[in-house]
Order: sequence, then C-alpha cells, then structure tokens
Amino acid sequence: DADVTQTPRNRITKTGKRIMLECSQTKGHDRMYWYRQDPGLGLRLIYYSFDVKDINKGEISDGYSVSRQAQAKFSLSLESAIPNQTALYFCATSERHREPQHFGDGTRLSIL
Amino acid sequence: ILNVEQSPQSLHVQEGDSTNFTCSFPSSNFYALHWYRWETAKSPEALFVMTLNGDEKKKGRISATLNTKEGYSYLYIKGSQPEDSATYLCAFIGNAGNMLTFGGGTRLMVKP
Repeated sequence: DADVTQTPRNRITKTGKRIMLECSQTKGHDRMYWYRQDPGLGLRLIYYSFDVKDINKGEISDGYSVSRQAQAKFSLSLESAIPNQTALYFCATSERHREPQHFGDGTRLSIL
Repeated sequence: ILNVEQSPQSLHVQEGDSTNFTCSFPSSNFYALHWYRWETAKSPEALFVMTLNGDEKKKGRISATLNTKEGYSYLYIKGSQPEDSATYLCAFIGNAGNMLTFGGGTRLMVKP
C-alpha cells in the first residue's frame, strides 16, 4: 500500500462545482502539503500544515481551501471550480519541514 | 517569490551517454536544495538533500554537486539508461522559509 494516498486519481467536473481532493498518509508525519503542477511550471505550493491546528497559505492559495481533519488526513477544496484550476494536484508529507517530501500519486483534475 | 530555474527544459540523449543539467537558485540565505526524480504517471521521489557548499552526493549512476556561493547545483547521470527517462526537479529552501520552491524541471528522454 502507498504511504501517501490521494483520492480521486482523476476527476472531470464542470465550472462552478465544489470539488474535494483527499489525502491520507501512513507515514506518521506531522507536515503535509498540497501542490499543483502545470506544464513547464514545476510544482507550486497551495497550502501546507505543520500539525492539526496549523494551516498556512502557500504561493497560490486563492480559490482553494484546506482542512486538516487529523494528523493523517489533509483535504483540498475548490469551492467553485474554474477552468484555470485544471491541473495535476499532489499531496506530500515530510517528517520535518526541511526534510525530503514524500508524494502521493497525484490527482488529475479537469474543469470544463 | 523566489527564482529557481532549471536548464535545459528538456534533453534527448542516447543510451550510454552521460549527461548533466543545472539548477540555479538564490545565493543568499541558503538552507537546503532538494533533487527529485519524477517518472511519468508516478509520484516524485527524493534523490538528494544537499545543505553544504561543495557537497557532492551520489546514488548509483546519479550524482549532484552544490555551489551555494554562486547559487547553482548540477545533476549528473553517467551512462544514461532508458529507465532514467524522467523529469528531474530541484527545489530550494532558504533560512527564513518554510516552503520548498521548485524549479520547472528538466525532462530527460533516453533513447535505446
């Protein structure tokens, strides 16, 4: 089983819909991250959390929200999806915030 | 927003060729540089975390060097194999930061 699991793996939806992407981990790490990847742009940080009570905005948080329901779970929501949020989304964890990050397999999201 | 750049964007080599590519990053307030390997349809995996100027790390046929004073790191692959085909990402973290800033990646394709 994967240490960092993302669901769904693929999603196609319409503009204006609310979407939730979920991430769960079995690594026991406190730190969790959400990134989006667009071609040629590398990974850009959306939100990060250092523990259940700590949520921080990343580089591109507008249009997104997150919830850290437990140490092992970190979900990303798009309240009202728009086409330019079409991207590949990754969840990651780390033991300490400067240690290597461990990534899920990604969620490919398409918004029509 | 920190500027982390990778070059080239893409690279085609023949099996058996050795190759290298570059990551440039801010030379001030350096804390660490990460290298990740990302195969298509899989999750990025950490290769190296480099923290000291002059550091050199090696994993099999892949090695990396670090120059924090001038703000660059090189990744070398000796005797490229088709299974080395992937996107290689570098990510910078500074002393004052909690976030990794990723470069756009170098996509390597090794032809048999």
